[in-house]
Amino acid sequence: EVQLLESGGGLVQPGGSLRLSCVVSGFTFSKYAMSWVRQAPGKGLEWVSGFSGSNSKTYYADSVKGRFTISRDNPGNTLFLQMNSLTAADTAVYYCARDVGDYKTRTYNCFDPWGQGTLVIVSS
Amino acid sequence: EIVLTQSPATLSLSPGERATLSCRASQSVGRYLAWYQQKPGQAPRLLIYDAINRATDIPVRFTGGGSGTDFTLTISSLQPEDFAVYHCQQYGNWPLTFGGGTKVEI
Repeated sequence: EVQLLESGGGLVQPGGSLRLSCVVSGFTFSKYAMSWVRQAPGKGLEWVSGFSGSNSKTYYADSVKGRFTISRDNPGNTLFLQMNSLTAADTAVYYCARDVGDYKTRTYNCFDPWGQGTLVIVSS
Repeated sequence: EIVLTQSPATLSLSPGERATLSCRASQSVGRYLAWYQQKPGQAPRLLIYDAINRATDIPVRFTGGGSGTDFTLTISSLQPEDFAVYHCQQYGNWPLTFGGGTKVEI
């Protein structure tokens, strides 16, 4: 069974940092592009950052560029999101999500499955 | 950045009725459009990718259509478990973007 489990969320003060983790199982992690998507309370989905393609190029939303860094540990089956200089606008549930396809067949940049999310609250 | 506009924001229907949801892109995304379903307290679930292809185990009552800038998701006969929020997402250009969502309610 494919599983994605996020952790690392919590309450942080404005200007602070957090590191989110997403541990996966049930598939060969190194063969898939991965992304982080967030959802502010009562709002829609916002793609944050992702890997794409077999060269593992990284991409970021403008709203987080220069503050967030995505990385991965393939042997450890873990995806990370380092978040710095946090503001109230970063308050959201953060989901990790796997690409529909793998690097061998095709990278789609749409996502299935998703983890259950981890809540980040930025507040003083 | 490509902006996706979903309409209507809320769709009030009864079980058994047909639902038609719209997603319009600010510029062409070809067929690189996905639809997700999200229920309260749950993560999104992929329904449709490449505008028309049903994801694994998605019932045939869900149908995606369109290309370029105008897309639709049709639910042929609403089941009680279909009342949820539906999101579209384009992956034709970086950054990836989502629409604002359509809530399908009873």
